[in-house]
Amino acid sequence: DGGITQSPKYLFRKEGQNVTLSCEQNLNHDAMYWYRQDPGQGLRLIYYSQIVNDFQKGDIAEGYSVSREKKESFPLTVTSAQKNPTAFYLCASSRGSGSEQYFGPGTRLTVT
Amino acid sequence: AQSVTQLDSQVPVFEEAPVELRCNYSSSVSVYLFWYVQYPNQGLQLLLKYLSGSTLVESINGFEAEFNKSQTSFHLRKPSVHISDTAEYFCAVSPYNQGGKLIFGQGTELSVKP
Repeated sequence: DGGITQSPKYLFRKEGQNVTLSCEQNLNHDAMYWYRQDPGQGLRLIYYSQIVNDFQKGDIAEGYSVSREKKESFPLTVTSAQKNPTAFYLCASSRGSGSEQYFGPGTRLTVT
Repeated sequence: AQSVTQLDSQVPVFEEAPVELRCNYSSSVSVYLFWYVQYPNQGLQLLLKYLSGSTLVESINGFEAEFNKSQTSFHLRKPSVHISDTAEYFCAVSPYNQGGKLIFGQGTELSVKP
């Protein structure tokens, strides 16, 4: 089946630890995206990548880092510098501008 | 820069009643327009999109949206809702030639009651 997988579904970490969220797609899409969802705020763009080995900051990139070494994979690292990391994180992919984005099931991160 | 405003955070409605979820946007460049739906603890699914052409677009499950350029709106409507339509609905815009990124509204929680 084609689609996007995110793992794990739930993740718990202690404050001060970095954590990496996985995102894999087998849709052969060039573009991939990371969004953060908080109640009442919709989704906000963290980082996006239009092509392998290239990525751009979104609206709320501070405290996050990404890599795009393979077309299929776009992992997101939530660093200890992110002041309020507890949230629902969604990964998406698309063929690019004007195309539908396909979303993964999300990872709910809780930091205490 | 772009912004999207969904005018209602919650919309309660009875089954078989009509519904309208309102969306306004502002942008200094041309945009594509989307509506996505999210069921609890899941990712988002595309409901419908406007890229060009006819300003009225329809989905397979009875929703429709009309692009109004002069009012910069893209309201979502359904003439008769079902219990299964209960979900959160997000309006989003994507600026031309900016990598396909989406700017989302805050979401509207549609609650359909029997």
